[in-house]
Amino acid sequence: AQKVTQAQTEISVVEKEDVTLDCVYETRDTTYYLFWYKQPPSGELVFLIRRNSFDEQNEISGRYSWNFQKSTSSFNFTITASQVVDSAVYFCALSEADNTDKLIFGTGTRLQVFP
Amino acid sequence: DGGITQSPKYLFRKEGQNVTLSCEQNLNHDAMYWYRQDPGQGLRLIYYSQIVNDFQKGDIAEGYSVSREKKESFPLTVTSAQKNPTAFYLCASSIGGSWNQPQHFGDGTRLSIL
Repeated sequence: AQKVTQAQTEISVVEKEDVTLDCVYETRDTTYYLFWYKQPPSGELVFLIRRNSFDEQNEISGRYSWNFQKSTSSFNFTITASQVVDSAVYFCALSEADNTDKLIFGTGTRLQVFP
Repeated sequence: DGGITQSPKYLFRKEGQNVTLSCEQNLNHDAMYWYRQDPGQGLRLIYYSQIVNDFQKGDIAEGYSVSREKKESFPLTVTSAQKNPTAFYLCASSIGGSWNQPQHFGDGTRLSIL
């Protein structure tokens, strides 16, 4: 069955520390997409990145980077030199070609960055 | 600016009352979705619609109803049959099916029982 696990419920760091948010997924499908969303205190989910199952290249966008490893079914998200504005809940999500109606979310990781 | 507008931001429901949450988008997206978020949990899909005048039940549709009479609008009614409606409700839209397109979200409506 398809599933997304974010084992870290809450992480606290001090500003400028690097932090990695883990995401492990389960799927029988060979074609799928993985997503990361950020939910700031205001409530809306903000799309951060999409990665398809055939593209294992890591991606870097400013202070954000993502590591996709099919061998371990993981799609981890690293924030370098964290800032207070990074404080939010981060969700990892999975979408499968054989189950096109659903986006399956993990339970989220709350990141608190202290000054 | 294009986006998704949810209203109201806060809503209170009395026992036995139906309430309707509004969701409007001007992104010209075909697909729209309603999610429920409870503390410490991920988002759970209530209903979704891929096209006007058609919608499908998600994982937790009991006690909820929707309509999709216009492309831009996808209101959610929380009926009195929903015994535990207190939650944060998020509306989303996407260009097509969710399978390969990111969903765009509104700011949410927080529903509480009086």
